[in-house]
Amino acid sequence: GAVVSQHPSWVICKSGTSVKIECRSLDFQATTMFWYRQFPKQSLMLMATSNEGSKATYEQGVEKDKFLINHASLTLSTLTVTSAHPEDSSFYICSASYVNTEAFFGQGTRLTVV
Amino acid sequence: QKEVEQNSGPLSVPEGAIASLNCTYSDRGSQSFFWYRQYSGKSPELIMSIYSNGDKEDGRFTAQLNKASQYVSLLIRDSQPSDSATYLCAVMLRGKLTFGQGTILTVHP
Repeated sequence: GAVVSQHPSWVICKSGTSVKIECRSLDFQATTMFWYRQFPKQSLMLMATSNEGSKATYEQGVEKDKFLINHASLTLSTLTVTSAHPEDSSFYICSASYVNTEAFFGQGTRLTVV
Repeated sequence: QKEVEQNSGPLSVPEGAIASLNCTYSDRGSQSFFWYRQYSGKSPELIMSIYSNGDKEDGRFTAQLNKASQYVSLLIRDSQPSDSATYLCAVMLRGKLTFGQGTILTVHP
């Protein structure tokens, strides 16, 4: 399958700071990237869908001013968690897809806010 | 009604048996269907994709899609302990990829 690289794989930050997570498709052009959050023993919750060059579409209940998503190119999307708080601690996973075909996942980022 | 629902599980099968995982979806306009496997603490990995009615086989895995009944299933033949994981059904609809809650499969020796 295609390769999607996500960095960092884990990060610890202080409450009130911002954290940026990068998601890159290494061997294909990702027309769409998805960002998910997963809490322990729960399924993936879609946070937002982003298409290259346009604004992300956020799911209901996800604060777009808190979770900033940028999809500036066909190979890179970023998620910035602004003013992070302990309740934002979670496993964040990106996936990339080409024109609604299979979506391939990055390794995930485990965020801990202290 | 949830957009994507999976049989709740957990599912436990003996080594060598067939494991059957089921998924239903609510929107008839859904276009593409996927099965992912997720090990604890890891991100999902794609097992199968299926786009049209019928069966699709890949090694020990067979995906079945029935759009009239709005269900998709995954059969795992000759189950191995290494198949123990959470299996996630995902549906693509209008550019949005939505997951079911997952079914935990345990294959015991």
